[in-house]
Amino acid sequence: DQQVKQNSPSLSVQEGRISILNCDYTNSMFDYFLWYKKYPAEGPTFLISISSIKDKNEDGRFTVFLNKSAKHLSLHIVPSQPGDSAVYFCAATHFGNEKLTFGTGTRLTIIP
Amino acid sequence: DAGVIQSPRHEVTEMGQEVTLRCKPISGHDYLFWYRQTMMRGLELLIYFNNNVPIDDSGMPEDRFSAKMPNASFSTLKIQPSEPRDSAVYFCASSGGSSGGRETQYFGPGTRLLVL
Repeated sequence: DQQVKQNSPSLSVQEGRISILNCDYTNSMFDYFLWYKKYPAEGPTFLISISSIKDKNEDGRFTVFLNKSAKHLSLHIVPSQPGDSAVYFCAATHFGNEKLTFGTGTRLTIIP
Repeated sequence: DAGVIQSPRHEVTEMGQEVTLRCKPISGHDYLFWYRQTMMRGLELLIYFNNNVPIDDSGMPEDRFSAKMPNASFSTLKIQPSEPRDSAVYFCASSGGSSGGRETQYFGPGTRLLVL
């Protein structure tokens, strides 16, 4: 049973436009959410996170939105750049738990 | 800092053989995690250690898999005997102490395993 779901395996976006990556979760205990970015032949690297006490967190071109009632979060990248082409993983955990539950990932391709 | 180091980077073996994957966490980190990445299931946590002690191994697929952490700077993941369905990329990650799960995990480059 996949507690964190990324239903879009891939996404292509024109350079300069907005990229929106989506993630759904089923476990209502989750209260902290993260996005990791992965380039080929490298390990995932932390990108941005959000606590359940917030509904938005912004870091430069990256913004994560959390809708707790819908158990849904999204990552917005504006404007999209070629270097953003990577696989993006959504992850979730709850306070006191070091264990992260990851989704299956979305491959983002930015078209120049 | 060198980051998390994993070896080998690639491993090709035949079904039935023993496979050992190695990890050196970031110095000073007291949590170590082993993950497996597949297309179908994404990144799955296999096991994690705190101060060299296994805390949760519920993700280990079966008895063929075992993991050890003999000291703070080294961990192994062993598969014996290996099967073709074990083919995947295996990642090791470490984090620096507990903030209730808020500590960033730093991943190694992974070991790509192919079992023929």
